[in-house]
This record gives sequence, structure tokens and C-alpha cells, in this order.
Amino acid sequence: EADIYQTPRYLVIGTGKKITLECSQTMGHDKMYWYQQDPGMELHLIHYSYGVNSTEKGDLSSESTVSRIRTEHFPLTLESARPSHTSQYLCASSYPSGGGETQYFGPGTRLLVL
Amino acid sequence: ELKVEQNPLFLSMQEGKNYTIYCNYSTTSDRLYWYRQDPGKSLESLFVLLSNGAVKQEGRLMASLDTKARLSTLHITAAVHDLSATYFCAVEWSGINDMRFGAGTRLTVKP
Repeated sequence: EADIYQTPRYLVIGTGKKITLECSQTMGHDKMYWYQQDPGMELHLIHYSYGVNSTEKGDLSSESTVSRIRTEHFPLTLESARPSHTSQYLCASSYPSGGGETQYFGPGTRLLVL
Repeated sequence: ELKVEQNPLFLSMQEGKNYTIYCNYSTTSDRLYWYRQDPGKSLESLFVLLSNGAVKQEGRLMASLDTKARLSTLHITAAVHDLSATYFCAVEWSGINDMRFGAGTRLTVKP
């Protein structure tokens, strides 16, 4: 079983608040990802990282930022939460193996912005 | 433009029946993944397909990849209720280090 953790699992917060979603993995994977997924819908990549001090934006425009100071930690920050940010956020990590790069997903954070 | 299309998006089937989920993608790639997501849960990896003609099987699920047709299939044999979940395909374009997920196929297997 993959060791990738996300906190909090559920968060209800008011508009304008700053929030940080935590993601940690203990597998030593270099690549990490953040996805946004509305219920029953596809995943949208919002940020990814190839390793320490490397971060890139994904295909979904998002008013969020990430940092990668340590291999195991990849937090996502929303400077000013809005109702449009209400969604599920999935963190993943991956490691090249056998020519492919299977992603291991965390349990997700369900965010509700009022 | 990088696109991944799955169909059907919703599938309701009887136990014991066979069915196939399709995943088409827009630009040549030789890395395709299938994931399963149970309601309220995260995604679990099912298969990694890395070359044209690749076929992987696990229990009642079999996945294949045709890179020339830019098509992958996930075949379900003699469905059982435990297979009810949403199935996502994901295509990786290594040249630009990008991966896109399909919209998912929500499968319900009824007794």
C-alpha cells in the first residue's frame, strides 16, 4: 500500500481565508502532483514537481501556489479561498518503474468554501 | 491539443455480462494507465500499458493498447458487483512531461 498522506481530509472555510493543504509521502518519490476533481468528474492537474525546488503549473488555471522544499512534502496554498475553489484536491507521487510512471494517490482533501 | 476521451461515461450492466470501456487519445503516446476510483475514495492503479499491442489482465479486467489507433480498451468479463466503481484512463506524453486523465467511466454492476 502506498504511503501518501493528505491533511486535512475535510475542510469548511469562509471566503477570503488563506488555507494550506498538506501532502506528504514516505516513498522517496521525486515527482509529485496536485489534482482538482469535482465529484464524479475528471481530474485536472493544477501543479506538479519533479523534485526539490522544482514546481510547475498544470493545465488548470488556479489561484494556488505550491512549494517543494523537501522531497517528502508538497503543500498547496490558496491565498484567498473562494466558493469556486470548492472541490476535492488529490495529491499524488510517482516513481519511474519498468518504463512507466504509475502515480500513487493520497486520500484527498474535500474543500468547501462558503 | 492533448485530449483523452472515454466512453461510455456511464455504464450500468448486469452481473455476469461482458463489456468494454474505450479510451481514445489525440496525439501519439506509448504510455497509458488505467485507474479505479471507488465512491468517496482516491484512485488506485490498475494497469500500465507501455507499448503497442500491450495486454494486461487482472482477474475479470483486461486492458489493451493500440498506439496506432490511439486507443486503449478495458474489457470486463463476467462482471460482479465488486467491480462497481469509476474507471479512469490516463495518457502520458513523455516528450512534454504531461499526463491527462479521461473523464472517467462510472460503472454500476447490478445483480
